[in-house]
Amino acid sequence: DAKTTQPPSMDCAEGRAANLPCNHSTISGNEYVYWYRQIHSQGPQYIIHGLKNNETNEMASLIITEDRKSSTLILPHATLRDTAVYYCIVTTDSWGKLQFGAGTQVVVTP
Amino acid sequence: NAGVTQTPKFQVLKTGQSMTLQCAQDMNHEYMSWYRQDPGMGLRLIHYSVGAGITDQGEVPNGYNVSRSTTEDFPLRLLSAAPSQTSVYFCASSYRDHEQFFGPGTRLTVL
Repeated sequence: DAKTTQPPSMDCAEGRAANLPCNHSTISGNEYVYWYRQIHSQGPQYIIHGLKNNETNEMASLIITEDRKSSTLILPHATLRDTAVYYCIVTTDSWGKLQFGAGTQVVVTP
Repeated sequence: NAGVTQTPKFQVLKTGQSMTLQCAQDMNHEYMSWYRQDPGMGLRLIHYSVGAGITDQGEVPNGYNVSRSTTEDFPLRLLSAAPSQTSVYFCASSYRDHEQFFGPGTRLTVL
């Protein structure tokens, strides 16, 4: 599976959009981009995934560049409850065998 | 639905002891897996199962055994606990539709 690179940390003001970048320059054509988050020692929570197209659900939007070498997770209106570690994962498995890196620690401040 | 449940929540073992971490899901998911998370690190896959009677190794399988006799349950066995196995253990399940559901974790300390 392709390796991902994320910034170790970022801050965001409550109510503003949080844009979380992820670099996956070695991604192959059949690899999905997944985002999970982990709130303070809880089990990780699925956010969104995509293959080529941009995706949106009730939690977030995923923007994948045309060459698929990077992506951005957008939390449109960050709340204090969005403070968590966010993991960007690239894998061919549609169900499991996720490889978690260190992720990005996002802190949402009032 | 209770989702994915794990027991116990906390456990302290002495080196050499054995124990079983329990994981159960009530969503009729085919796929189940076990991860461990060491302090400050991401999760690493220990073992996984694609259905009852079928298991396979993940990234860090040494020191752990699994079996899958039913769709609902996927226990993780530590045969002879070592301090290096001190970690938080997460169980997860999914159906085939990309989203994995994780349990709340078991915090294990081996002295």
